[in-house]
Amino acid sequence: NAGVTQTPKFQVLKTGQSMTLQCAQDMNHEYMSWYRQDPGMGLRLIHYSVGAGITDQGEVPNGYNVSRSTTEDFPLRLLSAAPSQTSVYFCASSWTFSDVGYTFGSGTRLTVV
Amino acid sequence: GENVEQHPSTLSVQEGDSAVIKCTYSDSASNYFPWYKQELGKGPQLIIDIRSNVGEKKDQRIAVTLNKTAKHFSLHITETQPEDSAVYFCAAKEVGGSQGNLIFGKGTKLSVKP
Repeated sequence: NAGVTQTPKFQVLKTGQSMTLQCAQDMNHEYMSWYRQDPGMGLRLIHYSVGAGITDQGEVPNGYNVSRSTTEDFPLRLLSAAPSQTSVYFCASSWTFSDVGYTFGSGTRLTVV
Repeated sequence: GENVEQHPSTLSVQEGDSAVIKCTYSDSASNYFPWYKQELGKGPQLIIDIRSNVGEKKDQRIAVTLNKTAKHFSLHITETQPEDSAVYFCAAKEVGGSQGNLIFGKGTKLSVKP
């Protein structure tokens, strides 16, 4: 099993550009989530999904959109990138919303200039 | 919502010494407390966890303690080794509740000097 796969690993964007961070899991997990990691701030929840067709906001959702059309994929979209979105982004999944075993991807390092 | 405070932010120990990282949480409904280890360039990995019906749990050189009354839990690493150097995150979650996302502390960078 590949687990949780994130692409790309690195990305540089110009302010105002848009892009999609990809997250795919092959474990048939219902729950998927996006976190951002900033120095001294830990991991903060952006958006999450408890199943296909269902998404909800986390702690820091502004500037990000998500959708969940399939169980496997949970892309994170930046519509108009800002320097404040420079961060490392992690996707995580688990069997269900109530499950305790989170599997994290290896992250996407995004720089917005 | 839940808020998790973690201390210290950095910790440096000599190889063979013990390391202790402490966390407090705010929501009394939280009942699951995992610890994650993040090595450089990688995603966090679960190393140990504890549920609210248990006061202590051990796994070889790692142990976690929980004080529900005081709402704090701690990670103890004994006989530290250079490979223990990493960033450690505590987290809290209400399993079975309607707001059961995993909320993380800000992390502790542990350096083990040979």
